[in-house]
Amino acid sequence: DAKTTQPPSMDCAEGRAANLPCNHSTISGNEYVYWYRQIHSQGPQYIIHGLKNNETNEMASLIITEDRKSSTLILPHATLRDTAVYYCIVRPLSGNTPLVFGKGTRLSVIA
Amino acid sequence: GAVVSQHPSWVICKSGTSVKIECRSLDFQATTMFWYRQFPKQSLMLMATSNEGSKATYEQGVEKDKFLINHASLTLSTLTVTSAHPEDSSFYICSARGGSSLTGELFFGEGSRLTVL
Repeated sequence: DAKTTQPPSMDCAEGRAANLPCNHSTISGNEYVYWYRQIHSQGPQYIIHGLKNNETNEMASLIITEDRKSSTLILPHATLRDTAVYYCIVRPLSGNTPLVFGKGTRLSVIA
Repeated sequence: GAVVSQHPSWVICKSGTSVKIECRSLDFQATTMFWYRQFPKQSLMLMATSNEGSKATYEQGVEKDKFLINHASLTLSTLTVTSAHPEDSSFYICSARGGSSLTGELFFGEGSRLTVL
């Protein structure tokens, strides 16, 4: 079972920041927070991951609370192409542990 | 980033036939690949873990004799749906760990959509 909880859906205006929350209150000390997204009829796409510090890359920023029980994925300037289902997953960094997907958040970017 | 490719992208077959789906890591070696299945409007469900040179590990409820997995090389894993039936119609997706063990992210193929008539 997935160890994360996400809202089922969110809307965001094009050009605005999209903030996607995720609760992972039972996260273990060796587990990282990963974010993936799935655009319709495609395989999931890796976005970002982090342990306890905030992370940023060319796609998004990841803000993890100090107690690590929740996090927020931020898409700074959402475009229509960012419309997708976003999955927050916790998983150890090392080893061959698979990703266990929850239901994710369906983000709709509106023009 | 690392590239994982699946073939075919989509396939239609008659009930009772077998279908093979390939998953290749194009620019890295993957000792482990994962196979998922996704029904419409649902999330990805892990089916099995494919290990190079050994038998696959199946998740509870997944029939190993129905979904044959072969991982004969470090860049190729295959999933064969045997004696397919309409209820096997689904989107099948594979993933593999990227070439750098330090990063930990898994990369996914484009998916293969199976329709059984």
